Amino acid sequence: GQQVMQIPQYQHVQEGEDFTTYCNSSTTLSNIQWYKQRPGGHPVFLIQLVKSGEVKKQKRLTFQFGEAKKNSSLHITATQTTDVGTYFCAGPKGGADGLTFGKGTHLIIQP
Amino acid sequence: GAVVSQHPSWVICKSGTSVKIECRSLDFQATTMFWYRQFPKQSLMLMATSNEGSKATYEQGVEKDKFLINHASLTLSTLTVTSAHPEDSSFYICSARGVGVQRGYTFGSGTRLTVV
Repeated sequence: GQQVMQIPQYQHVQEGEDFTTYCNSSTTLSNIQWYKQRPGGHPVFLIQLVKSGEVKKQKRLTFQFGEAKKNSSLHITATQTTDVGTYFCAGPKGGADGLTFGKGTHLIIQP
Repeated sequence: GAVVSQHPSWVICKSGTSVKIECRSLDFQATTMFWYRQFPKQSLMLMATSNEGSKATYEQGVEKDKFLINHASLTLSTLTVTSAHPEDSSFYICSARGVGVQRGYTFGSGTRLTVV
């Protein structure tokens, strides 16, 4: 079945450093979505990428969708303590609704 | 817009009892809702797709008789964990597709179930 892999599982950074998480799907995706989950909270939708090679920015966050529509990345510039949380990528389940989530990257920021 | 309310936020129950979790779309109609399960420090796993007015579709390995789903209206889906056991302790989250093409999915606040 469809698999969505995400690395790294954990990332410790000093506040102000950059952060990147990578996502790779075993199948071509019609779109890829990114979510953020704060500790103790629920996933919150960040963005959806649809086009091959698409790049979108949200302030300090940059999202990319690969040319083959099988991989994606999220890059945060100059991390802040408010960026703490787990970042998940997710793709539509093949042939059905609902999402297949990556394992997530836990971002830990040291002041 | 596109707010999903989930209740209760947390529940503790005894082994063998049943627990019902409600998921409501507050400002939009959701013909389809999704139920996920998340263990600590792990990812979300889709359990089932809840369809208004018809039977839910369960993912492989999810027992439909144990996790009863009812989607009786366009704004309410319920998940009942029947005959709960300690291994059912988990974080259960519902979601619905957000409004608009680019809105992704909106998640409820989740229910932390502890079975003792």
